[in-house]
Amino acid sequence: DAGVTQSPTHLIKTRGQHVTLRCSPISGHKSVSWYQQVLGQGPQFIFQYYEKEERGRGNFPDRFSARQFPNYSSELNVNALLLGDSALYLCASSWANEQFFGPGTRLTVL
Amino acid sequence: KNEVEQSPQNLTAQEGEFITINCSYSVGISALHWLQQHPGGGIVSLFMLSSGKKKHGRLIATINIQEKHSSLHITASHPRDSAVYICAAGGGGSNYKLTFGKGTLLTVNP
Repeated sequence: DAGVTQSPTHLIKTRGQHVTLRCSPISGHKSVSWYQQVLGQGPQFIFQYYEKEERGRGNFPDRFSARQFPNYSSELNVNALLLGDSALYLCASSWANEQFFGPGTRLTVL
Repeated sequence: KNEVEQSPQNLTAQEGEFITINCSYSVGISALHWLQQHPGGGIVSLFMLSSGKKKHGRLIATINIQEKHSSLHITASHPRDSAVYICAAGGGGSNYKLTFGKGTLLTVNP
């Protein structure tokens, strides 16, 4: 059975651009969470979605948004990119609070 | 003060040594997670525990709810154990989110 998948694996953007990151959870998992990991730091919680509804939001600006689709896959959108948005973006799907992480998307903003 | 504190930040050991990584948290939790992250980003969940002790192979995780403290032990360490080990506190009421420590970089030399 496939684990959590994320696309793309790497992405380079310039300041001011917009980016969309995608995540497919493990089959049967209805909850998806997004995390940002800046180099040298632990991940920071961005969003959690469950059954297509936002259940939690971390301390991130409104430039960050997300949604979950009927098949439980999810997108994370970031508008007006800043240099500081360069990070590894991790998606996790969960079952009974146990989190399964995807490989991440490494975003570089130039 | 971070809500989840890990120590040490860096740890170097010789192959075969017994290793302990500590985690203290100040948030209310439903569960405490230990995660392993290899260079390149992939995160693997090692343990999720809400009380007592869990063992998997050479890895042992313990938690003391009253003292808000958890430890990860590695017995007979091996160079392939070299990675970043991250403690994360899980909870948050109606949504389940993880609050991460900054991680402990473990290097095991042959």
